[in-house]
Amino acid sequence: ETGVTQSPTHLIKTRGQQVTLRCSSQSGHNTVSWYQQALGQGPQFIFQYYREEENGRGNFPPRFSGLQFPNYSSELNVNALELDDSALYLCASSHRDKPYEQYFGPGTRLTVT
Amino acid sequence: KQEVTQIPAALSVPEGENLVLNCSFTDSAIYNLQWFRQDPGKGLTSLLLIQSSQREQTSGRLNASLDKSSGRSTLYIAASQPGDSATYLCAGITTSGTYKYIFGTGTRLKVLA
Repeated sequence: ETGVTQSPTHLIKTRGQQVTLRCSSQSGHNTVSWYQQALGQGPQFIFQYYREEENGRGNFPPRFSGLQFPNYSSELNVNALELDDSALYLCASSHRDKPYEQYFGPGTRLTVT
Repeated sequence: KQEVTQIPAALSVPEGENLVLNCSFTDSAIYNLQWFRQDPGKGLTSLLLIQSSQREQTSGRLNASLDKSSGRSTLYIAASQPGDSATYLCAGITTSGTYKYIFGTGTRLKVLA
């Protein structure tokens, strides 16, 4: 049990739609990262938020965006969904004193049809 | 650019065997190295975290080692059991601008009863 929760567990969307995925982490975890895991692949870093601002980004287009809130929750938003966006989306949080130890949530399985 | 490679991609062994999973990374400037287990359709379960100053970690039948100079880590599983069947992922934690995980593509392990 990592103390990181994600919602929803599963989601089915249609190409072109928009989706919001949510993550809630422990108190004191002021850094949150999002990862995308396509089938048969390892997770890929999307971006990271620290103190409610984007703090680093992987090789993902701007239609992937995020928000982080003061209550240690965060969102991943994806616009104009494409079939290739179908994946498991993982969030990971870390405590302010140990930014190098990230705790992963159970993930949200997104299917785009 | 940091890349993580895992060998073998898949492994099938009879119950009771000791086995070694390999992970190599291209950039020795990783901070920590972490091994995860992932069951089909599920999220990540952290197995072992080797911090920057350490060379190995042990938990039960699992032992992981890290050699930064050669860019390698190994996960040793003793007396394998059918319940060990899963995908095993290693991830290097890099510090280039932000702490983020770089994952390998995993080793799919099947332990036969």
